[in-house]
Amino acid sequence: GNSVTQMEGPVTLSEEAFLTINCTYTATGYPSLFWYVQYPGEGLQLLLKATKADDKGSNKGFEATYRKETTSFHLEKGSVQVSDSAVYFCALSEGGGNKLTFGTGTQLKVEL
Amino acid sequence: EAQVTQNPRYLITVTGKKLTVTCSQNMNHEYMSWYRQDPGLGLRQIYYSMNVEVTDKGDVPEGYKVSRKEKRNFPLILESPSPNQTSLYFCASGWTPKNTEAFFGQGTRLTVV
Repeated sequence: GNSVTQMEGPVTLSEEAFLTINCTYTATGYPSLFWYVQYPGEGLQLLLKATKADDKGSNKGFEATYRKETTSFHLEKGSVQVSDSAVYFCALSEGGGNKLTFGTGTQLKVEL
Repeated sequence: EAQVTQNPRYLITVTGKKLTVTCSQNMNHEYMSWYRQDPGLGLRQIYYSMNVEVTDKGDVPEGYKVSRKEKRNFPLILESPSPNQTSLYFCASGWTPKNTEAFFGQGTRLTVV
């Protein structure tokens, strides 16, 4: 079956540091890949997505590139802010898209 | 405003007392789904619905029921809640062929004692 593996958290960074959150996946076909963000006390929001190999998703300074050869979709941001503190989930959807398969989530804490 | 609304946000109940968590969306989405979020496990799908009167099991359906009598509503029913159903629950909608984004409600934190 499909699966998503994310790096363990929590990740603590200083403001303006570079962020990488690793995500690798296992899928039988050609999934769409997503990063969702969950701010404290809120539901998940789509951060960015990529639907085919070599696509780059980007939003709010975050980027991730769909790498089919390494089955990865790592999330990056060049300069994090305190307001980026949240839990980040990597996810995939395959076939008819009736389900998102999520990773376990990575908590990011950004300090001044 | 486009949104998915869940109620209640917080609920503490006792073992065996039937409860319903409501979910409503105003985006005319065909697809709706329920997930539970547990530490170290991420989100796992409970049930989903591709359209009115069409529902199917997800990965962890035991102990739950759903119904889809109207397009906008997708309630989650726990007939006889148990402590292992203590969790954070999310309703989501979306995933039509032209729209691959899922919209999530704010969550319902359920505690079963």
